[in-house]
Amino acid sequence: AQKVTQAQTEISVVEKEDVTLDCVYETRDTTYYLFWYKQPPSGELVFLIRRNSFDEQNEISGRYSWNFQKSTSSFNFTITASQVVDSAVYFCALSRTGNQFYFGTGTSLTVIP
Amino acid sequence: KAGVTQTPRYLIKTRGQQVTLSCSPISGHRSVSWYQQTPGQGLQFLFEYFSETQRNKGNFPGRFSGRQFSNSRSEMNVSTLELGDSALYLCASGQAGALYEQYFGPGTRLTVT
Repeated sequence: AQKVTQAQTEISVVEKEDVTLDCVYETRDTTYYLFWYKQPPSGELVFLIRRNSFDEQNEISGRYSWNFQKSTSSFNFTITASQVVDSAVYFCALSRTGNQFYFGTGTSLTVIP
Repeated sequence: KAGVTQTPRYLIKTRGQQVTLSCSPISGHRSVSWYQQTPGQGLQFLFEYFSETQRNKGNFPGRFSGRQFSNSRSEMNVSTLELGDSALYLCASGQAGALYEQYFGPGTRLTVT
């Protein structure tokens, strides 16, 4: 069975603070893919990153960074120096086949100016 | 390149009616997936179509059905609407062979009264 847990329902931070969004996943597959999506108030899910199970290298993209640890089945997302525009709901997702995603329940991030 | 488009964007229906939602994928994309998003259940996979064939199906009752046309456009139909069907329905498209990047449309907000 595939499952994604995002234990943090809501997070509020003050602008310029760093924030980490947690994601823990469950799967019995050895090959799988992990994703992060951002959902702004407009509703459209915006792709942020994809990681396959064989690539545990951390990734940095501007103010965004991701930490993938298979040992703890976690794929955490950090925003450095948060900005008001980062306010959104963030979803972590797991895919075994690539065409069926299992989403976490999402973390609503509010960045206070 | 135009993104994924979904029509209509908003819809209000009465319990017992049926509804058809439409999704036009990104040009060249042959995979179309549908998701239901509700506050209580989060994002749940409905089904995925590829080259007019349903490849995967989530755990939804038979009232939820879909199809894909030769131009990759997809429709989703819900019959005998229930109040619990009120949700944001998201469509995602992906390329054949380009692994596991799905691009989401803005969604159709369905309200059942």
